Amino acid sequence: EADIYQTPRYLVIGTGKKITLECSQTMGHDKMYWYQQDPGMELHLIHYSYGVNSTEKGDLSSESTVSRIRTEHFPLTLESARPSHTSQYLCASSEGGTGAYEQYFGPGTRLTVT
Amino acid sequence: SQKIEQNSEALNIQEGKTATLTCNYTNYSPAYLQWYRQDPGRGPVFLLLIRENEKEKRKERLKVTFDTTLKQSLFHITASQPADSATYLCALGPASGGSYIPTFGRGTSLIVHP
Repeated sequence: EADIYQTPRYLVIGTGKKITLECSQTMGHDKMYWYQQDPGMELHLIHYSYGVNSTEKGDLSSESTVSRIRTEHFPLTLESARPSHTSQYLCASSEGGTGAYEQYFGPGTRLTVT
Repeated sequence: SQKIEQNSEALNIQEGKTATLTCNYTNYSPAYLQWYRQDPGRGPVFLLLIRENEKEKRKERLKVTFDTTLKQSLFHITASQPADSATYLCALGPASGGSYIPTFGRGTSLIVHP
């Protein structure tokens, strides 16, 4: 079992609310990622970080923002939730450096915006 | 554009048989390919990685092949069990631009019947 945690696991929230999805890992990994996944669809990378104070946008345009103040913590924030944000959000981490490294995923947050 | 194709139809097989899943790609020259398992409502779990200069990789009942000429990877589970029922994702890297973050396919659902 990977040591990467996400909270909350499920969230139902109204349109216009600000939300923060939490992600923490205890493996000391430098690299962390946020993916969005709809049922039966690919994982789409929305944000990633190569270390503290490093954040980049991914391939999928997203209205969310992220921060990386501590190695172990990589929260994702939606300033104003909309029904189009309804999806599964997956956080992952991997070792640093170049090359191919396996990704360790958290259990995900299922977000529903009403 | 780069494309990863996995069979969208579920694969149904009997317990004890070998399951073979396919990952095809186009407009891509991956340096490596990964296979992950994803259970409903959970994050993916890494299974195997194979590099472009490797033809085959094995791990217990799992075997992966990688044919860069055919642009295809095959994922085999021998002596399949009902507990192997899940969605299996292939992921290729690096993505365009040189990032070592893998790009995921949609996955193929495997159902093993007792």
